[in-house]
Amino acid sequence: NAGVMQNPRHLVRRRGQEARLRCSPMKGHSHVYWYRQLPEEGLKFMVYLQKENIIDESGMPKERFSAEFPKEGPSILRIQQVVRGDSAAYFCASSPPEEWTEAFFGQGTRLTVV
Amino acid sequence: RKEVEQDPGPFNVPEGATVAFNCTYSNSASQSFFWYRQDCRKEPKLLMSVYSSGNEDGRFTAQLNRASQYISLLIRDSKLSDSATYLCVVNPPGRRALTFGSGTRLQVQP
Repeated sequence: NAGVMQNPRHLVRRRGQEARLRCSPMKGHSHVYWYRQLPEEGLKFMVYLQKENIIDESGMPKERFSAEFPKEGPSILRIQQVVRGDSAAYFCASSPPEEWTEAFFGQGTRLTVV
Repeated sequence: RKEVEQDPGPFNVPEGATVAFNCTYSNSASQSFFWYRQDCRKEPKLLMSVYSSGNEDGRFTAQLNRASQYISLLIRDSKLSDSATYLCVVNPPGRRALTFGSGTRLQVQP
């Protein structure tokens, strides 16, 4: 049973380009969460999704950021027109449908904007 | 007030020491609680769930005090490999994601 898979592990983008981060949840998990971690800082919640639905996007910046979790395929976190301040580790986690269960994390994508 | 608060540390302890971390949460209706561990530049990993009755896993003991809204983690006989950041995690009510504290850094020294 493979764990949460994120790709790419490392992503370098120039300012103004788009970044697409992918997350495949664990088998049987229908909930996906995205978190961002800046260097030397804690995890900051961004968005919580179920298949085809955004449940909570209270942590998403209002502009340039979007997320989806389609019926088929991985969850995608998309950052348009990246800026230097977007450089961070982006972690995806997944959990099963039951409420109040723990979540399991992928290895993260380290985005560097140059 | 932050939803989940932790002392950031760092806690510097010698090998073999016992160390305890506390964490407070603001929403009294929160339903489940966890401790995660994060090593430098790695993903967080579940250490243990926290139950009202308290639970123990080897050298690690977790306690939940609902009345005072705090969670604790006790590590006995610290090992060098315990050096990491320990994250207190709360599952708030409603359809919301796990909420993480900022973490407490532990450095175990030889």
